[in-house]
Amino acid sequence: QVQLQESGPGLVKPSQTLSLTCTVSGGSVSSGSYYWNWIRQPAGKGLEWIGRIYTSGNTNYNPSLLSRVTISVDTSNNKFSLKLSSVTAADTAVYYCARDQLFGGSFPGWVFDYWGQGTLVTVSS
Amino acid sequence: AIRMTQSPSSLSASTGDRVTIACRASQGISSYLAWFQQEPGKAPKLLIYAASTLQSGVPSRFSGSGSGTDFTLTISCLQSADFATYYCQQYYSYPRTFGQGTKVEIK
Repeated sequence: QVQLQESGPGLVKPSQTLSLTCTVSGGSVSSGSYYWNWIRQPAGKGLEWIGRIYTSGNTNYNPSLLSRVTISVDTSNNKFSLKLSSVTAADTAVYYCARDQLFGGSFPGWVFDYWGQGTLVTVSS
Repeated sequence: AIRMTQSPSSLSASTGDRVTIACRASQGISSYLAWFQQEPGKAPKLLIYAASTLQSGVPSRFSGSGSGTDFTLTISCLQSADFATYYCQQYYSYPRTFGQGTKVEIK
């Protein structure tokens, strides 16, 4: 059973860089069968996809965050990471990491099938 | 970006009720739609993908239908464990986008 666990500072000052890590167990970030994602959720609000990375380092980002976000993968330690620069209070949210798996059938596509428990990041001075 | 709109935003129902949640995409997404359930303080859980395919281990009282722009999630006989917030999400194009959520509350 694959498990994902987010970690990182719970408090970040405005204008600084938010950094989070997702540690994967029960599976490998080096597997060519998955993408690895970051998704966030402000308190009481909906979900926003931030971006994803493949084992090769290939990335896709949400255009709304493109200028501030970097996702990287550390295959040696079976982790992947998120960096979000120039944060403001609007970036305060629970941040989730999630796995993307290619589901087949008549409509093959990448679906979020496993999620971490989430970690709250507050942007405040 | 494709906008996903759910209705209603919330609903009150009783155990045993049949519940239907609607999701509309701002443009056609074929059947590239997933449904998630989120309990308070927990991560979303995948229920349905490809609009109507039940994820392994999900009870059969959950079902999904639709294609193109209009989709529905139905819970045939609401159980206590089903009181949660439900989200639709399109994976037809990037960026991936979610609906705003539908909270199912106890009447």
